[in-house]
Amino acid sequence: GENVEQHPSTLSVQEGDSAVIKCTYSDSASNYFPWYKQELGKRPQLIIDIRSNVGEKKDQRIAVTLNKTAKHFSLHITETQPEDSAVYFCAAKTSYDKVIFGPGTSLSVIP
Amino acid sequence: DGGITQSPKYLFRKEGQNVTLSCEQNLNHDAMYWYRQDPGQGLRLIYYSQIVNDFQKGDIAEGYSVSREKKESFPLTVTSAQKNPTAFYLCASSMYGGPLQETQYFGPGTRLLVL
Repeated sequence: GENVEQHPSTLSVQEGDSAVIKCTYSDSASNYFPWYKQELGKRPQLIIDIRSNVGEKKDQRIAVTLNKTAKHFSLHITETQPEDSAVYFCAAKTSYDKVIFGPGTSLSVIP
Repeated sequence: DGGITQSPKYLFRKEGQNVTLSCEQNLNHDAMYWYRQDPGQGLRLIYYSQIVNDFQKGDIAEGYSVSREKKESFPLTVTSAQKNPTAFYLCASSMYGGPLQETQYFGPGTRLLVL
């Protein structure tokens, strides 16, 4: 079946450094890739998304890249701040119109 | 996000008991979803509904039931057949379902604990 893999599962960076989270998907027909941020005990919130006709999208300190050939996409956070600490989930919408989530990456930004 | 509400915030279930989790949205969204989140894990789809009076099973539907009698409401019942119900339950909605479905907006969640 369809699945989404996500690496690393945990990531620690120094404040001001960059963080990169990578995801791969199995369904080559997937065409929508959102990223969610979830703080402890709270709801996931969309931070950025990308569609399959775009290779890169940027929003201030956050960027997402998509490589359709390799079936992987990545989240890049620059100039990390302590408030960036959270769990980040990637997801992919499959050809069956279901959104499959990755297992999550716990990001810690050390002041 | 404020347009989706879930209640209660915490719910305690006794063995053999059915409990119902509420999810309401005022965003006029067609599609609604229920996810289960276990500690340190991702979101797994329980049920989803693309339109009123219609719903489909997700990946882990066993032991759960839903109804979609109104566009704004999508309650989830955790039945006694669900042997390991302790988890964080998240409801979500999106403007459209099916091929047009994109951004999902999540409710604040209900934490279910077994006594």
